[in-house]
Amino acid sequence: EIVMTQSPATLSVSPGERATLSCRVSQSVATNLAWYQQKPGQAPRLLIYGASTRATGIPARFSGSGSGTEFTLTISSLQSEDFAVYYCQQYNNWPPGTFGQGTKVEIK
Amino acid sequence: QVQLQESGPGLVKPSETLSLTCTVSGGSMSNYYWSWMRQAPGKGLEWIAYIYYTGSTNYNPSLESRVTISIDTSKNQFSLRLSSVTAADTAVYYCARGVEVATPFPLHYWGQGTLVTVSS
Repeated sequence: EIVMTQSPATLSVSPGERATLSCRVSQSVATNLAWYQQKPGQAPRLLIYGASTRATGIPARFSGSGSGTEFTLTISSLQSEDFAVYYCQQYNNWPPGTFGQGTKVEIK
Repeated sequence: QVQLQESGPGLVKPSETLSLTCTVSGGSMSNYYWSWMRQAPGKGLEWIAYIYYTGSTNYNPSLESRVTISIDTSKNQFSLRLSSVTAADTAVYYCARGVEVATPFPLHYWGQGTLVTVSS
């Protein structure tokens, strides 16, 4: 069974600062990895897919990198609307659609 | 703009069957995969099942014995049935669509979610 590990569990960041979130996968998923943002009471929002492709309408301050088993989501300059929970998802191995446990980005 | 809307009972008794429908508007169901996801209170996201517009299905192995997904493209709807529910099935259930033609993931369009509580 594929295991997704996100770190840290909680990230405290001041507005305007950079945030770096990590997702480690127990097996290689090539670049078949996505990142989602979820705010309380809302559905997840797709940010990044193919490890580094921004979804339609996603600001350039969001960027993704990595391949194989190590991935990173970077938010270059945190805005107030970016405080949320972020999930990574692999869609390369069976069962597909496996998510990490999430990283909460909170205001420092 | 594609929009999805879940509908169904918000309360289901233990051992009964949970039934939800997702209505799709603003686009055709053709050439896309359609998924059900869920999120237990305070927990992470779990994929339940997906179906291609042709009716081809795939299920999460952990739920496969209890889940049925179906599609009715003439009504622009797809549905979920989860049998023998317990309190562990209490969750917000989301319907969703893949970002690209003919690929189930990642999920770009989501419904707002519907909370289903399993309780007597």
